[in-house]
Amino acid sequence: DSGVTQTPKHLITATGQRVTLRCSPRSGDLSVYWYQQSLDQGLQFLIQYYNGEERAKGNILERFSAQQFPDLHSELNLSSLELGDSALYFCASSAPLVGHLNTGELFFGEGSRLTVL
Amino acid sequence: AQKITQTQPGMFVQEKEAVTLDCTYDTSDPSYGLFWYKQPSSGEMIFLIYQGSYDQQNATEGRYSLNFQKARKSANLVISASQLGDSAMYFCAMREGYGNNRLAFGKGNQVVVIP
Repeated sequence: DSGVTQTPKHLITATGQRVTLRCSPRSGDLSVYWYQQSLDQGLQFLIQYYNGEERAKGNILERFSAQQFPDLHSELNLSSLELGDSALYFCASSAPLVGHLNTGELFFGEGSRLTVL
Repeated sequence: AQKITQTQPGMFVQEKEAVTLDCTYDTSDPSYGLFWYKQPSSGEMIFLIYQGSYDQQNATEGRYSLNFQKARKSANLVISASQLGDSAMYFCAMREGYGNNRLAFGKGNQVVVIP
C-alpha cells in the first residue's frame, strides 16, 4: 500500500460527459502529480500541484483541469469526454527532496480506469 | 524528443535466470535521478530502484541492480534469479534537476517469466 488513495477505481461513461477523479496523497506529502496511461502512449505527465498551487503542466488537454485543495487532496476534472480519453489515470505524491535523505520517488495510487463509450 | 528510451520487445525469461532491461536517457542537466518501476497486470506502479546522477556506485535493492553507465547515458535494470511474480511491465523514468520530482517515463518493457 503506497498510502495514495484514488477514487473511483473504475468509471464507465459516455462521450461528451464530464467526470471527476479524486486523489488523496500520502500523509505529509505536499506534491501531487497526475499521469495518464493509455495503451499506445505509455505514462504521460499531465499536471503537478504543490501545496495547493500549480507547479508544472505537461500534456494536459484544455478539456482537462485539476486543483489541489487546502487539505491537499486533488481532483482531476475531465470534460467533453472522447473515446480517446479512455485510459488509466494515476495520481502520485512525493516528499520534497532534502539533500540525500530521500530519492524523490513518486508513490502512486492504484489508478482510476476510465472507459468512455 | 524522447527523454527515456526503452526499445526491447517483450521478453520471455526462464524462472531463476537473470534478465537485463535496457534503458537509455537524454538530458543535459548534470543533476538527475533515474528510477525503475514495476507494473504487474493488476495495474499498480511499484517503485523498484533509484540511481542518482552523482552516485558513484551502482544501486542495488535485493534482486534488483542498476547498471549505470553515465557516459553512455544508460541505466539498465538487472533482475537476478527471476521469479514468476516478476512477470510485469517495467518502466524506466528520469527526474531532471533538483527540487521537482516530476518523472518522465519510457514506454516500458514487458517481461514474462516462464517456469
